[in-house]
Amino acid sequence: AQTVTQSQPEMSVQEAETVTLSCTYDTSESDYYLFWYKQPPSRQMILVIRQEAYKQQNATENRFSVNFQKAAKSFSLKISDSQLGDAAMYFCAYRSPRRDDKIIFGKGTRLHILP
Amino acid sequence: DAMVIQNPRYQVTQFGKPVTLSCSQTLNHNVMYWYQQKSSQAPKLLFHYYDKDFNNEADTPDNFQSRRPNTSFCFLDIRSPGLGDAAMYLCATSRESKLPRGGNQPQHFGDGTRLSIL
Repeated sequence: AQTVTQSQPEMSVQEAETVTLSCTYDTSESDYYLFWYKQPPSRQMILVIRQEAYKQQNATENRFSVNFQKAAKSFSLKISDSQLGDAAMYFCAYRSPRRDDKIIFGKGTRLHILP
Repeated sequence: DAMVIQNPRYQVTQFGKPVTLSCSQTLNHNVMYWYQQKSSQAPKLLFHYYDKDFNNEADTPDNFQSRRPNTSFCFLDIRSPGLGDAAMYLCATSRESKLPRGGNQPQHFGDGTRLSIL
């Protein structure tokens, strides 16, 4: 069975600095999708970034980028120029390409932004 | 804006009194999900509808049921809520391919309904 591990329950970063959230996963499949979701306090969960395993190029979305290491089964999220609005719980997630398979979430990392 | 709307935002019910949570979407997505999320934990999938096909997770209690009368609406019914059912309930949608292979589409979440049990 696939698993997703986020080893950092909480992290803090100074505003305008860069922070990296780690995520590792375990799977025997070669084709899959990875996601980072952001859940701000009392607000809806939204997609931050996604990566398709067959793509070698790391995904980027403005200040958010990932370091996808397929052999190491690692999928870290880098947030550059951290802003107060980045404070949230971040969930790493895995999904196989099989239509009926559910998404597997990690336990989350709570990110605090220090002014 | 197209979105996923959950009502109510906060729901209080009594121990054992049935409660229904609702979710509607304007995204015209074919898949709708219900998750339970307890404090500082990852969402836990309860069930999902792929079009009209209902898919229950093996560990979802019998106390939880769902209805999807049409594409836009989905309901979560808790027949006899216990104290352990107090949680945030998240509805999500996605557009999935008809093909057996898919999975790359993100899920779109509502704001959630926070359920309290007295």
